Amino acid sequence: ILNVEQSPQSLHVQEGDSTNFTCSFPSSNFYALHWYRWETAKSPEALFVMTLNGDEKKKGRISATLNTKEGYSYLYIKGSQPEDSATYLCAISNFGNEKLTFGTGTRLTIIP
Amino acid sequence: GAGVSQSPSNKVTEKGKDVELRCDPISGHTALYWYRQRLGQGLEFLIYFQGNSAPDKSGLPSDRFSAERTGESVSTLTIQRTQQEDSAVYLCASSLRLTEAFFGQGTRLTVV
Repeated sequence: ILNVEQSPQSLHVQEGDSTNFTCSFPSSNFYALHWYRWETAKSPEALFVMTLNGDEKKKGRISATLNTKEGYSYLYIKGSQPEDSATYLCAISNFGNEKLTFGTGTRLTIIP
Repeated sequence: GAGVSQSPSNKVTEKGKDVELRCDPISGHTALYWYRQRLGQGLEFLIYFQGNSAPDKSGLPSDRFSAERTGESVSTLTIQRTQQEDSAVYLCASSLRLTEAFFGQGTRLTVV
């Protein structure tokens, strides 16, 4: 069983501030790491899929980095806006265990 | 359709009844997942189908739960003799092998 850990569990950030949170995972047999945004009353939507050590991806104000050797990824949000409020999930897949295994998420609330 | 379609969107059932939830994945997607989210909890993996391989049923919580998938098309999740703790949003997702998952809107199951 893969153990994907996300921290913090929840986070309140003032509008306009930048923030980041972490996903940790076992580095052995790693294939890919996914970040999803899950807004209330909606379904999770993919933000990024990363496979290579040192990968950096960016979409607007949101970016992510990946360290496969030490088994972690950071998600960064610059200049937080109320619409960024959501639960951010990370998931990994491995060689030999291809299904996506999700962490429990970081619940982000932006305070106007 | 263009996305993952789930039906019904809402289901209220009496304790002890059987229910069947349906998922139509994106055409051509070989991987199909079922997850659930109970109130206040994260995403809980239930079952994973990949092509013609044997499904990964390791997340099914009891033998009252079963799922089938016909080839690379429709999947049904069946819950027999429903219990109140089965109340949750049941999410289906599909993907090409080892790529990002696309989620349906979910079925909200309420057992009364």
